[in-house]
Amino acid sequence: KAGVTQTPRYLIKTRGQQVTLSCSPISGHRSVSWYQQTPGQGLQFLFEYFSETQRNKGNFPGRFSGRQFSNSRSEMNVSTLELGDSALYLCASSPGTAINEKLFFGSGTQLSVL
Amino acid sequence: GIQVEQSPPDLILQEGANSTLRCNFSDSVNNLQWFHQNPWGQLINLFYIPSGTKQNGRLSATTVATERYSLLYISSSQTTDSGVYFCAVERNYGGSQGNLIFGKGTKLSVKP
Repeated sequence: KAGVTQTPRYLIKTRGQQVTLSCSPISGHRSVSWYQQTPGQGLQFLFEYFSETQRNKGNFPGRFSGRQFSNSRSEMNVSTLELGDSALYLCASSPGTAINEKLFFGSGTQLSVL
Repeated sequence: GIQVEQSPPDLILQEGANSTLRCNFSDSVNNLQWFHQNPWGQLINLFYIPSGTKQNGRLSATTVATERYSLLYISSSQTTDSGVYFCAVERNYGGSQGNLIFGKGTKLSVKP
């Protein structure tokens, strides 16, 4: 079974631009969640989607948004990029049908904002 | 919010040594997972262990939920065990999930 796939692996953008990151979950998984990892703040939860609906959201500004498609693939978008948005963005998937489940992470997208 | 504290923050071992990593959390949780992040950034799920003890090869984990801590044991360490080990806990939002609260991690370096 293929794992969680994130694209692209690396991305370089400049301040003010916007960016879209993609995540394909493990086949059969319907829950996709996104995390931001920085050296200063560590790993922080962004949002979680299940069956195309956002079920949970972390404490990030509205510039961070996401969506999920009917095939469970998910995208996250960051508009008006700031230097502080430079981070490793990680996507995780799980079946989504139980309250507590094991999460499986992708390799991440390393975003650099110049 | 819930606090997750991991200790020690850094650990250097000689290959073959054993180690114990600790995770303390400040409130009741329904879910606890241990992850290993390799040097390429990939987070590998080691254990889903909200309570009890589990073993997987050279690794084992114990969570004592009533006392709000979890331990990860690594025996006969190998250089490939190097990386950062994270403990993450999850609160129950009544059906929603995926909101893991991560500790700061323990950075393990295993020397040959």
